Amino acid sequence: KQEVTQIPAALSVPEGENLVLNCSFTDSAIYNLQWFRQDPGKGLTSLLLIQSSQREQTSGRLNASLDKSSGRSTLYIAASQPGDSATYLCAVLPQLQGAQKLVFGQGTRLTINP
Amino acid sequence: IAGITQAPTSQILAAGRRMTLRCTQDMRHNAMYWYRQDLGLGLRLIHYSNTAGTTGKGEVPDGYSVSRANTDDFPLTLASAVPSQTSVYFCASSEGSGNEQFFGPGTRLTVL
Repeated sequence: KQEVTQIPAALSVPEGENLVLNCSFTDSAIYNLQWFRQDPGKGLTSLLLIQSSQREQTSGRLNASLDKSSGRSTLYIAASQPGDSATYLCAVLPQLQGAQKLVFGQGTRLTINP
Repeated sequence: IAGITQAPTSQILAAGRRMTLRCTQDMRHNAMYWYRQDLGLGLRLIHYSNTAGTTGKGEVPDGYSVSRANTDDFPLTLASAVPSQTSVYFCASSEGSGNEQFFGPGTRLTVL
């Protein structure tokens, strides 16, 4: 059974710092991995999708990497801003016949202090 | 473009009542999903639909039903609500079953 873990559960850093969020998964047989952000009381916003054949994806100040063999992904946020404060979730789509469901981690709650 | 809309935004419901949560997307996506999000348990898939006219069970389908009469709408029905169905419900869609998923704003449901 695929399991996704995100450590730490919470992170607080001063504004302007570069930071890395970690995601690990137990089964390397995945179609893709997706990073989301969730603001309090809101829905999930898709940030980046990495296909299983890709090593990384970039969008603005965000860079996500994928190492399938080690079961790890990282989300790098450059020059953090208070508006980046949110919970960040990673999710993998298992490469199983008929599998439909994203498997989510518990998230990392990020606070950027002005 | 609205993306995905959900209604109602929130609802308080007496146990035993029937309730339908509505979800509409305007992206012409083939696949749609219903998740519930609970503290400590994360997001779990309830039901999904790969295309109009088909549905499938997710991880926690008991007590819920869905239908997919057309591409845009994917309602979730609780036939007889129970307190354990108190949760935040998210609808999502993707172009195909293996593509990037986009989420709606959610419905906060409380069953008393």
